[in-house]
Amino acid sequence: DAGVIQSPRHEVTEMGQEVTLRCKPISGHNSLFWYRQTMMRGLELLIYFNNNVPIDDSGMPEDRFSAKMPNASFSTLKIQPSEPRDSAVYFCASSGRGQVRYGYTFGSGTRLTVV
Amino acid sequence: AQTVTQSQPEMSVQEAETVTLSCTYDTSESDYYLFWYKQPPSRQMILVIRQEAYKQQNATENRFSVNFQKAAKSFSLKISDSQLGDAAMYFCAYRSEGSGTYKYIFGTGTRLKVLA
Repeated sequence: DAGVIQSPRHEVTEMGQEVTLRCKPISGHNSLFWYRQTMMRGLELLIYFNNNVPIDDSGMPEDRFSAKMPNASFSTLKIQPSEPRDSAVYFCASSGRGQVRYGYTFGSGTRLTVV
Repeated sequence: AQTVTQSQPEMSVQEAETVTLSCTYDTSESDYYLFWYKQPPSRQMILVIRQEAYKQQNATENRFSVNFQKAAKSFSLKISDSQLGDAAMYFCAYRSEGSGTYKYIFGTGTRLKVLA
């Protein structure tokens, strides 16, 4: 298995531009998580999908952030418009049915820099 | 609300020596899971070891072991025979047992340096 695949690995964009981060979870996993990592706030859960349905988006910082999971093998996190304070590493993670207790499998993350 | 505290921002260990990373947590729950994740410079978050709160026996994975003290709410990670590849950020994480609970609470991390 190729693991959780995220793209792009790095993204540099100008303030005000739209940014789309992509994630392909492990085949067969039905839980998907988007986390953001910053020096100031550490790892924060942004949104959680179960069976492609958003269950908890309370961690999404504001309306500029949106996430979708159109099918079991793909999810996107979009920021529109982007701001410098959105600069962070964004992780996608997935877990199998009933296996969240065993730990997530994380992707390699996307480092986003907004200038 | 649960919290996870890693009080050591940075630790150093000589290659082949043993090092212990500390983690404490606060919870009113009796059933939960604890994890240690490793984040090397590649940025990938890698699960190192996990512990179920209902198990008294400390988890062990090769050179990695934990000292789980439930009453003290302590969950330290011991790395034996440290290797250069162990250099990374280490994060302690907590997850509730209850159904529908899926959020992991992460500590702020400890950066481990391994000296040759």
